[in-house]
Amino acid sequence: DAKTTQPPSMDCAEGRAANLPCNHSTISGNEYVYWYRQIHSQGPQYIIHGLKNNETNEMASLIITEDRKSSTLILPHATLRDTAVYYCIVRVPHGSSNTGKLIFGQGTTLQVKP
Amino acid sequence: KAGVTQTPRYLIKTRGQQVTLSCSPISGHRSVSWYQQTPGQGLQFLFEYFSETQRNKGNFPGRFSGRQFSNSRSEMNVSTLELGDSALYLCASSLGRGGDDEQFFGPGTRLTVL
Repeated sequence: DAKTTQPPSMDCAEGRAANLPCNHSTISGNEYVYWYRQIHSQGPQYIIHGLKNNETNEMASLIITEDRKSSTLILPHATLRDTAVYYCIVRVPHGSSNTGKLIFGQGTTLQVKP
Repeated sequence: KAGVTQTPRYLIKTRGQQVTLSCSPISGHRSVSWYQQTPGQGLQFLFEYFSETQRNKGNFPGRFSGRQFSNSRSEMNVSTLELGDSALYLCASSLGRGGDDEQFFGPGTRLTVL
């Protein structure tokens, strides 16, 4: 079973920030939080990941709470092309026997509206 | 750097036949993981190959098998196809370390079983 819980759907106005929440209350201290997105019928696209600190790249920002039980993916200026299913995944640490396995939940369908 | 490639992109087979799908990972990546995506079950992990050895296996019947070659390219095979095997089959490559090692997905092979 997925170790994360996400709302099934969200709407966002074009040009506004999209904030996608994720709960991972059973995360272990050395497990990473990853975000992927999937645009209809394409392969999932890597967005960002983090362990404890907040992270930012050219696509998004990742805010992880201090207790690491939840996180938020922020798309600062959503466009229509950001409409997709967003998956939050907890990834096992280095050296685990399950390093090649990602467990996907149902994700959040983000609809960006004009 | 070239991304993950999968061939063929689309495939139509009939029940009882077998099929072989191919995945070429990103150069330097030694891990290839395979996933099945259906509308009902979402994205599910099939198996992972690392350095020509199966390292992880999901909960799928023995009709699903795979292998990896010395150049890290991987194939998966499905024998005695069933209607329920119609799905998008995705492969993902990574260095194979887990933790902060991202998996990058290919575009997928859309298999339709008639």
